[in-house]
Amino acid sequence: GESVGLHLPTLSVQEGDNSIINCAYSNSASDYFIWYKQESGKGPQFIIDIRSNMDKRQGQRVTVLLNKTVKHLSLQIAATQPGDSAVYFCAEIPRPYSGTYKYIFGTGTRLKVLA
Amino acid sequence: DVKVTQSSRYLVKRTGEKVFLECVQDMDHENMFWYRQDPGLGLRLIYFSYDVKMKEKGDIPEGYSVSREKKERFSLILESASTNQTSMYLCASSLWTAYSNQPQHFGDGTRLSIL
Repeated sequence: GESVGLHLPTLSVQEGDNSIINCAYSNSASDYFIWYKQESGKGPQFIIDIRSNMDKRQGQRVTVLLNKTVKHLSLQIAATQPGDSAVYFCAEIPRPYSGTYKYIFGTGTRLKVLA
Repeated sequence: DVKVTQSSRYLVKRTGEKVFLECVQDMDHENMFWYRQDPGLGLRLIYFSYDVKMKEKGDIPEGYSVSREKKERFSLILESASTNQTSMYLCASSLWTAYSNQPQHFGDGTRLSIL
């Protein structure tokens, strides 16, 4: 089985409800943030990104909120579906931008959608 | 859509063998990355490359080398495989721009077991 999700916090949500997944980032100088979704047996899949000059960005059924004051990032999924079950993790990219850069990845949250 | 393809999904090798992991991307991205993913440790950067024949060490380069002879292909080499290199290996690529960060896009990974 898939072992990447061991030791992760888990969020269980009823199908059709909204999900909120949180991420505390570490570097106040980070200016670019990404949410990834990783399904069992697959690589991380880009969901949505946000730059530090914004505090909210919306995609299809997903919204990312950025609170720079408390260094907090959240991913909201509307009308959660069984296909949303996966591990979600955030990535932050510190300033200054140099063209080649290292991501700082969170360890992730497992989302379980209950039928 | 960005396509990052890793040549093997599962690989079993023996201690001391030289192991090659291959990755190809089809989006003409300048940047390519190799990570390993272990339970509880998240994603850790091994090496990255920002151009053909260019490479930089990541956080855990010991025991690994890389090769980038063509823009679309980035190879990870385990010079003499050891059991502690048993892991999920993920390749990623991203576009380089002069002014802003761009998201990394991942392949589906190679699960490598060293016996």
